[in-house]
Amino acid sequence: QIQLVQSGPELKKPGESVKISCKASGYTFTNYGMYWVKQAPGQGLQYMGWINTETGKPTYADDFKGRFVFFLETSASTAYLQINNLKNEDMATYFCAREGEKFGAFFDYWGQGVMVTVSS
Amino acid sequence: DIQMTQSPSVLSASVGDRVTLNCKASQNINKYLNWYQQKLGEAPKLLIYNTNNLQTGIPSRFSGSGSGTDFTLTISSLQPEDFATYFCFQHNSWPFTFGSGTKLEIK
Repeated sequence: QIQLVQSGPELKKPGESVKISCKASGYTFTNYGMYWVKQAPGQGLQYMGWINTETGKPTYADDFKGRFVFFLETSASTAYLQINNLKNEDMATYFCAREGEKFGAFFDYWGQGVMVTVSS
Repeated sequence: DIQMTQSPSVLSASVGDRVTLNCKASQNINKYLNWYQQKLGEAPKLLIYNTNNLQTGIPSRFSGSGSGTDFTLTISSLQPEDFATYFCFQHNSWPFTFGSGTKLEIK
């Protein structure tokens, strides 16, 4: 069965970096783009961007340009989100989600989410 | 960026009710509108894609309609497991954007 399994919760200080993983199984990893979504505590969903799993090319929404990095370890069917120079406003749950099987059916499978806590 | 406005922000209803959730785009998004359900502590779940296509495994009491800028999600007869937050999402124009959500709560 198709699964996206993300790494565990993180506790970081401002200015540090964090790397979140998203391991895919049950399908051909390079056939579907991988997307990232942020959810701050008690808030809605924010689209961060995506990475083309065939070419490795990332594309970022404007709010996530600069400190956010999407990359792949294709041999391990794993996508990563790295956040550099963490700020208090980065405290959130981060989800990975797969491009859908059918056209337009974005995010048909999701990871369980990773809570990132930023505290000095 | 296209702004997605959902209404109401909170909707109180009872089991068995028919409910309609609204989503309005700040500009034309054609039919490229999806709906997701999120329960507390869980990842969102895709319900409807491209306005009115039911995702595999989603009960037929969920339906979507609309075009252009105005869209609705209808639940024909609320079940206890439907009490959750619902988000709309446009994928017509970059950057894709989510609505702020409608929390469906038990009356």
